[in-house]
Amino acid sequence: DAGVTQSPTHLIKTRGQHVTLRCSPISGHKSVSWYQQVLGQGPQFIFQYYEKEERGRGNFPDRFSARQFPNYSSELNVNALLLGDSALYLCASSLIWSSGNTIYFGEGSWLTVV
Amino acid sequence: KQEVTQIPAALSVPEGENLVLNCSFTDSAIYNLQWFRQDPGKGLTSLLLIQSSQREQTSGRLNASLDKSSGRSTLYIAASQPGDSATYLCAVIRSNDYKLSFGAGTTVTVRA
Repeated sequence: DAGVTQSPTHLIKTRGQHVTLRCSPISGHKSVSWYQQVLGQGPQFIFQYYEKEERGRGNFPDRFSARQFPNYSSELNVNALLLGDSALYLCASSLIWSSGNTIYFGEGSWLTVV
Repeated sequence: KQEVTQIPAALSVPEGENLVLNCSFTDSAIYNLQWFRQDPGKGLTSLLLIQSSQREQTSGRLNASLDKSSGRSTLYIAASQPGDSATYLCAVIRSNDYKLSFGAGTTVTVRA
């Protein structure tokens, strides 16, 4: 079975543009979360979705939005990009939302804003 | 707010030495704790998951302990190898919202 897949792997955007990052969870997993990792720091929680509903939101501005589709894949959208949005964006999946199951991460999408 | 701290930030050891990585958290109301490995420029690979009711978890050369009352977890890696060189991150899942809170990681270099 494939692990968590993310696309694109790398991208460069200009300040003010918007970006869409995509994530496909492990087959059978219904919960998807998004994290932002700035160089030298641990990942910071952005969003969590379960069964297509938002279950949690981190301390990020409204420029960040996300959604989950009926097949449990997810998109993270960031509008009006700032230089500080440059980071590794990680998607994680787990079987269900509130459980003790292991959380699995994808390889991430590297976003550079110039 | 849950604060997760990992000390040291970096360490370098000769091959064969045992590694001890520390993680501390401020709020003991956790659901579980998970250790991850991250290679440069890559995503996170899950190593061990410890439920809040457990004291330790083992997988091969890896052993992780959890002391909820003192807010500490330790990851032990026996007989280190150059392939163990990576950044190791601990993360706690909060009981109230099931979100992961990460430490900044410990970057390990194992010298051949």
